[in-house]
This record gives sequence, structure tokens and C-alpha cells, in this order.
Amino acid sequence: QSVLTQPPSASGTPGQRVTISCSGSSSNIGSNYVYWYQQLPGTAPKLLIYRNNQRPSGVPDRFSGSKSGTSASLAISGLRSEDEADYYCAAWDDSLSGQVFGGGTKLTVL
Amino acid sequence: QVQLQESGPGLVKPSETLSLTCTVSGGSISSYYWSWIRQPPGKGLEWIGYIYYSGSTNYNPSLKSRVTISVDTSKNQFSLKLSSVTAADTAVYYCARGDTAMVMNWGQGTLVTVSS
Repeated sequence: QSVLTQPPSASGTPGQRVTISCSGSSSNIGSNYVYWYQQLPGTAPKLLIYRNNQRPSGVPDRFSGSKSGTSASLAISGLRSEDEADYYCAAWDDSLSGQVFGGGTKLTVL
Repeated sequence: QVQLQESGPGLVKPSETLSLTCTVSGGSISSYYWSWIRQPPGKGLEWIGYIYYSGSTNYNPSLKSRVTISVDTSKNQFSLKLSSVTAADTAVYYCARGDTAMVMNWGQGTLVTVSS
């Protein structure tokens, strides 16, 4: 049981816009930054979004993050086949004094 | 560009201690936070803990009694020890660099199987 809650799956067709949600509580998302990671099949995760909505160098602007209250979202516009991956949200949790992750969302590009 | 490489046994017997080392290249270990994160087969990510180059540590409360993370700045390495392992500790173990709440760089990961 993950501290942050994500839908287990999401899907879209090429060119579509897809959003993935991440729900937490006042001790994590509600009071700290949210991070998003992309894990392509068979590889290590990669930082996709940091501090709620910032993109590291090299991440396309098709990826965007947002946060409101105790929830966050990752949006992917102009969906491409290479976006098929698992996506994880993460945040610092003040109660646990550590990093917590969502259970991950498997994105399928139909 | 910094690179991280995990090394250690791929098979550990139940009740024994899992030991992994992460070698950092392309950058100094004397800054940033250095973490261990694991992923059981087919499951999600779990933060194990981190160490700052000065030696201060922070561990996941659920694993705290069994985990030790240490750093060797002279070798640009940091290590993980997880004691009294069971099958539930079977996972891909990643070493990583970042701050307290974020991972900026990941190792490729190493699968550790707990089995007799």
C-alpha cells in the first residue's frame, strides 16, 4: 500500500493529451514539492518533473506538472509511442521524515 | 555527467545480510545526498534511505532497524547493508544521487534475490 495514490493504468492514442493523478495528504503533497519519474520498460527511472512543475534539461515541454492542495497531476500532450512507460509521483513526507512514492501508473499508447 | 554503478551479490540467503556498493564516477561524492531505492519485481518504488557525504543518514522507518548506509569519500563510494533478509527483500536495488526529496540521477539497478 503506497502512501501516494495513483491510478494503476492510463491510456491514450497518439497525439492525445493524457493526465495522471497523484493523491496524498497534508503531510506530503499538501506541504511539500511533488516529483514525477518516468520508467521505460527494463530501465531505471528518470526524473521528469521536479518541484511540482519544473522540467529538467532535456525533458520535452509536452510533459507538465501541477499541484493543488493534496493532489498533483502529470499531463502529457501530443502523446507519442515512446511515452509508453510507468510513471511515479513522489514527495517528502513530514510524518515519516522520508521520501514516499505512488504505486505507479502504467501508460499505454494505443 | 555523473554515473552510478551498483555492485554486490545477486543472491543472498534468508536471514543473512544483503550488502551492496555504489561507485560514483564523473563527479565527487562530497556533496548531494546519496540514496538507495528498491523495486520488487513487477511492483513500485520504495525509498530505503540516504546518506549525506558528511555521514548523516536518514532511513525509511519501516526498514530502519535493519538498514545501514555508509559512505567512503576516499573511494567515491557509498554502501547499503540490509540485515535479516527474507524473500520480501527480493528486488532491484538502485543507488541514486539527489537531495532529500528528489532523485536526479539513478544507477542502472541490480537485482538481488533472497533464496536458499
